[in-house]
Amino acid sequence: KNEVEQSPQNLTAQEGEFITINCSYSVGISALHWLQQHPGGGIVSLFMLSSGKKKHGRLIATINIQEKHSSLHITASHPRDSAVYICAVKRRDGGATNKLIFGTGTLLAVQP
Amino acid sequence: GAGVSQSPSNKVTEKGKDVELRCDPISGHTALYWYRQSLGQGLEFLIYFQGNSAPDKSGLPSDRFSAERTGGSVSTLTIQRTQQEDSAVYLCASSLGAREGSLFYYEQYFGPGTRLTVT
Repeated sequence: KNEVEQSPQNLTAQEGEFITINCSYSVGISALHWLQQHPGGGIVSLFMLSSGKKKHGRLIATINIQEKHSSLHITASHPRDSAVYICAVKRRDGGATNKLIFGTGTLLAVQP
Repeated sequence: GAGVSQSPSNKVTEKGKDVELRCDPISGHTALYWYRQSLGQGLEFLIYFQGNSAPDKSGLPSDRFSAERTGGSVSTLTIQRTQQEDSAVYLCASSLGAREGSLFYYEQYFGPGTRLTVT
């Protein structure tokens, strides 16, 4: 079982819909990233969070440390939001490197 | 300011040849990471440099892979005797440094990647 699981793997939405992507992890973490990758493009970090909630424009990220779960929400979705969204965690291991462990990503397609 | 840059953006090579991929981190970032994204696969960690500490090479898939970081800045990932399974996008990221095992973690910034195709 992967240490970081995302759902759904694929998501198709209509423009304007509210979208939720979920991430569950099984290890203790010190931080969690939500990343965005457009086809053929590089990776952009949308959020880094370790507790609570963050909001940037139409994007909202929440994390529940006790439940080891995070969600990424997109309000009023738009076709330009179509991308792969990746959840990644930094393990809270004493002596461990600062490498990230990645989920397999959620492919989002927003149709006009 | 300038972000993380990588070169080349695309590389096509024949099986058995050696390749070198370059990463220029954000100025002032002492931590540098290499990741790999194979077709249809998620991202996987390869190697991590932090300041003058010994690098964490635990993610390198074989001894054909090596990396160095000169002067605490530019890094080169070298793949010797390339195989078709090495075809992937190789991503570099950098961050402000943190003491190994520190509970405080700085955000990583990713480069655009190098798409390697081994024919």
